[in-house]
Amino acid sequence: DAGVTQSPTHLIKTRGQHVTLRCSPISGHKSVSWYQQVLGQGPQFIFQYYEKEERGRGNFPDRFSARQFPNYSSELNVNALLLGDSALYLCASSLDRGLEQYFGPGTRLTVT
Amino acid sequence: QKEVEQNSGPLSVPEGAIASLNCTYSDRGSQSFFWYRQYSGKSPELIMSIYSNGDKEDGRFTAQLNKASQYVSLLIRDSQPSDSATYLCAVTGGARSNYKLTFGKGTLLTVNP
Repeated sequence: DAGVTQSPTHLIKTRGQHVTLRCSPISGHKSVSWYQQVLGQGPQFIFQYYEKEERGRGNFPDRFSARQFPNYSSELNVNALLLGDSALYLCASSLDRGLEQYFGPGTRLTVT
Repeated sequence: QKEVEQNSGPLSVPEGAIASLNCTYSDRGSQSFFWYRQYSGKSPELIMSIYSNGDKEDGRFTAQLNKASQYVSLLIRDSQPSDSATYLCAVTGGARSNYKLTFGKGTLLTVNP
């Protein structure tokens, strides 16, 4: 069975630009979560969506937004990029809240 | 107090030894507990989940949970060089916030041949 997929794998953007990251969950999983991981730290929670509704939001500015589509895939959008947004962005899928979350390979974002 | 704390390591053990990784958490309402393994440059891989007090064994891995002490641990028996990685402890919140994982910073484990 296919795992969580994410695209693109790597991305280089300039400060002030906008970026869209994409994620497809494991087949049958209806919940998608987004995390940001900077070097030397554990992943930080950004959003969770379940059945196309936002279930929770982490401590990130409004420049970060997300949505989930009818096929349960998801997009993470970041506006007005800052150098500090450079990180590994991880998508995780799960059957439901509180259950095991399985991570995709991540998107490495570099902001210059 | 940090929400989830782990010894950053590095923890170095010889091949064949038992590696013991520890984690404490601050939210007494936490309901679900997970261990992830992350190789350098890769994404986290789920290796164990535990939901109730006691031990849970899966192959060479044993997770231990003590909710009264707010403590969760991971034992790796017969450690192999391929176990060398960063191990992340993750915890979900109580009923109102059990949708998100809160991670520790991770413990770097090195298994020496």
